[in-house]
Amino acid sequence: KAGVTQTPRYLIKTRGQQVTLSCSPISGHRSVSWYQQTPGQGLQFLFEYFSETQRNKGNFPGRFSGRQFSNSRSEMNVSTLELGDSALYLCASSLTGTGYNEQFFGPGTRLTVL
Amino acid sequence: AQRVTQPEKLLSVFKGAPVELKCNYSYSGSPELFWYVQYSRQRLQLLLRHISRESIKGFTADLNKGETSFHLKKPFAQEEDSAMYYCALTGATNKLIFGTGTLLAVQP
Repeated sequence: KAGVTQTPRYLIKTRGQQVTLSCSPISGHRSVSWYQQTPGQGLQFLFEYFSETQRNKGNFPGRFSGRQFSNSRSEMNVSTLELGDSALYLCASSLTGTGYNEQFFGPGTRLTVL
Repeated sequence: AQRVTQPEKLLSVFKGAPVELKCNYSYSGSPELFWYVQYSRQRLQLLLRHISRESIKGFTADLNKGETSFHLKKPFAQEEDSAMYYCALTGATNKLIFGTGTLLAVQP
């Protein structure tokens, strides 16, 4: 099976812009979670989508949003970018949404905000 | 508050030495605990979870509810164990709360 894929792998934006990141889960997986990884804060949960519905949300401002499509692919959007949004954004997919299922991580998208 | 604490940013040991990566947690309820590993230039991947009670690549971890700890241990470190290790917990959902990670460096 192909693993989780994320596009693009690298992105450079300037403050105030917006950005959309994409994640394609492992075939058959219906849950997609997003994490932000920074040297200072480590790995922080952004949100989880299951069957096109946001099911869990972390403590991030409303500038961070996401969605999931009927084929389980997911996108996350960050509007009005700030310097502090520079990070590695990881997505992870898992089979279902009942209880905890092993999450398989993608390679990440490295976002740099100038 | 839900929190995972990994007190060591870096742990350096020699090949063949025992390894213990510390993890303490704070959670109201019964969490599931995990260790994730990220080798150089590879993806973050699950190493082990407490409910499976397996030994993976020689690593074990015991959940101590009294001390709220889930330390990762290996009796004899190998150079290929060098990686970033993250302790994480969840409360029966897919929302993982990660510690800040410990970089394990195994010297030859």
